[in-house]
Amino acid sequence: AQSVTQPDIHITVSEGASLELRCNYSYGATPYLFWYVQSPGQGLQLLLKYFSGDTLVQGIKGFEAEFKRSQSSFNLRKPSVHWSDAAEYFCAVGAPEYGNKLVFGAGTILRVKS
Amino acid sequence: ETGVTQTPRHLVMGMTNKKSLKCEQHLGHNAMYWYKQSAKKPLELMFVYNFKEQTENNSVPSRFSPECPNSSHLFLHLHTLQPEDSALYLCASSQDPASSGEQFFGPGTRLTVL
Repeated sequence: AQSVTQPDIHITVSEGASLELRCNYSYGATPYLFWYVQSPGQGLQLLLKYFSGDTLVQGIKGFEAEFKRSQSSFNLRKPSVHWSDAAEYFCAVGAPEYGNKLVFGAGTILRVKS
Repeated sequence: ETGVTQTPRHLVMGMTNKKSLKCEQHLGHNAMYWYKQSAKKPLELMFVYNFKEQTENNSVPSRFSPECPNSSHLFLHLHTLQPEDSALYLCASSQDPASSGEQFFGPGTRLTVL
């Protein structure tokens, strides 16, 4: 079965600084990969997804992520963080043989200091 | 209404009460999901419905009873819950049950069991 690890429970960055949130997955082939964001009291919103093709994917709100097969990683990046980016971020993985089930990481809480 | 809606947004119930959570998707999707989100735990998939048929029950206790009368509506009937069932319950939908595509989430119902 596929699994997802987000090594960082909390991350604090200064407003305007760059951001990288880590995500590692366990799966034998190329999975489908997703990053979601959750603001307090809200549901999850999709930031970006990777199915195939270009390994650098662009998402909403200025986020991007890079799929690195050799490292089984799909890290999320943003060049300049805004205070409104403070939220919890979830990496998720899917695979064709598991149908429409996604496995989510435990999440990383991002705090932005001014 | 657009996207995925959930009612109520907040619910407080005693252990002997019976209540229901409602989810409605306005996206024309064919798959719907219930997730449980507890503090400091990864998102837990509870149930999956594809074309109104339950295709996944992730060892959920029988005090949670899902119902999917059509592809647009999903209910979670609750009875004799325990305090540890207090959590955010998220509903999601996706277009294609056959593949691990993007899931769209509702805002959730914050459930507190006294």
